[in-house]
Order: sequence, then structure tokens, then C-alpha cells
Amino acid sequence: DQQVKQNSPSLSVQEGRISILNCDYTNSMFDYFLWYKKYPAEGPTFLISISSIKDKNEDGRFTVFLNKSAKHLSLHIVPSQPGDSAVYFCAASAFDSNYQLIWGAGTKLIIKP
Amino acid sequence: DGGITQSPKYLFRKEGQNVTLSCEQNLNHDAMYWYRQDPGQGLRLIYYSQIVNDFQKGDIAEGYSVSREKKESFPLTVTSAQKNPTAFYLCASSLKGQRWAGELFFGEGSRLTVL
Repeated sequence: DQQVKQNSPSLSVQEGRISILNCDYTNSMFDYFLWYKKYPAEGPTFLISISSIKDKNEDGRFTVFLNKSAKHLSLHIVPSQPGDSAVYFCAASAFDSNYQLIWGAGTKLIIKP
Repeated sequence: DGGITQSPKYLFRKEGQNVTLSCEQNLNHDAMYWYRQDPGQGLRLIYYSQIVNDFQKGDIAEGYSVSREKKESFPLTVTSAQKNPTAFYLCASSLKGQRWAGELFFGEGSRLTVL
């Protein structure tokens, strides 16, 4: 039973346009969410996070939106650049989860020139 | 440069053999983790350690063992009891428990293939 779902295995976006990556979760106890980016043959790197007390967090070209009622979060990248081509993972954590992060399966983002 | 070093990057093992994956960090992080990644799946936690000489099982600890004798080192042994060991293994560290650290720092991974 996947508690964190990234339903799009891949996404193709034109360079300069907006990339929107989606993540849904089922556990209402999740209250902290993170996005990681992974290039081939490398470990994931932290991108941005959001606490459930917020509905938006912004860092440069990256913005994460959280809709608690819909149990949905999204990562927006504006404008998309070729270096953004990577796999993006969504991860979530609950207050009583004993420090465990639950990860989505990832979405492969391809930025087209 | 500070970071996490995993070795070997690629490893082949015959069925029935134990194999140990190395993970070393010089970030002075207290917490260290081992994850497994399989195609089409998210990262799954094998073991984690918040402090030297202490570690806890994650979701899929069966067939694996770890030790934390030094703050910098958290080796993972994949034993012959692990039914499906072929996977990509990632080691990570964080300043505190991963929940509050804000981020995990990952190594480059070790790909284990059982022949």
C-alpha cells in the first residue's frame, strides 16, 4: 500500500515553460514533505521542503504547494532549464513515524530544447 | 570536501555469499541511513542509526545487518538470507533525525547484482 504516490512516471516539458510535478498521499498524519532530485548514477539531493502549517514554500525557481484537504502537493519549476532533467522524488513524514520518510516512486522530468 | 562515500560502486555476488557495502561520511552527522531502490519504486528504509552503537530496523531489514562502531561509518551487510538482493543501495546521513534535519545527504549509491 503506497502511502506516497507519484502517478506520472515521466513528464516532458519545453525549455522555458513551467514544469509541474505532482504527489498524492494517503496518510493524514503526514505533516512534513520534501522533494529530492536525482541524476543518473548519483544519490538524490534535497531540493525543497514544506511543513503542513504552510501551503506554499518558494526557493528561487522552485515552489512547492500543499493542499492538505486534497492530500496533494506539487512542485513547480519556472522557468524549466535543461539541467532540471532528472528524476524527482516526493517524500513525507509523520510526527509519530519514528523518523521514517516515506518516498514516492519518482517522476522523470525531461526538458526539451 | 565533505560528503558521503559509498563503495564499491558496482558489486557482483554469487548466490549464498554475504557482501558488505561501505558507507563513510565526514560531515560530522549523527544520523545515518541505508535505503534500497528498486525500479519503479520509491526508496525503502533498511536500517538507520541515530547515534554510535545504536541502530534500528527500517521497513525491510530482513536479510540485512549493520553496525555503527564509529560516527563516520555505517556499513551494510547483505546476507545470503536476503531473498532478492539485486538492487541499488543508497547510504545517507543527516544532522539529527531525518524528520527534523530538513534534508538527507546521500552517497552516490552501490549497485549490487547477484549472479
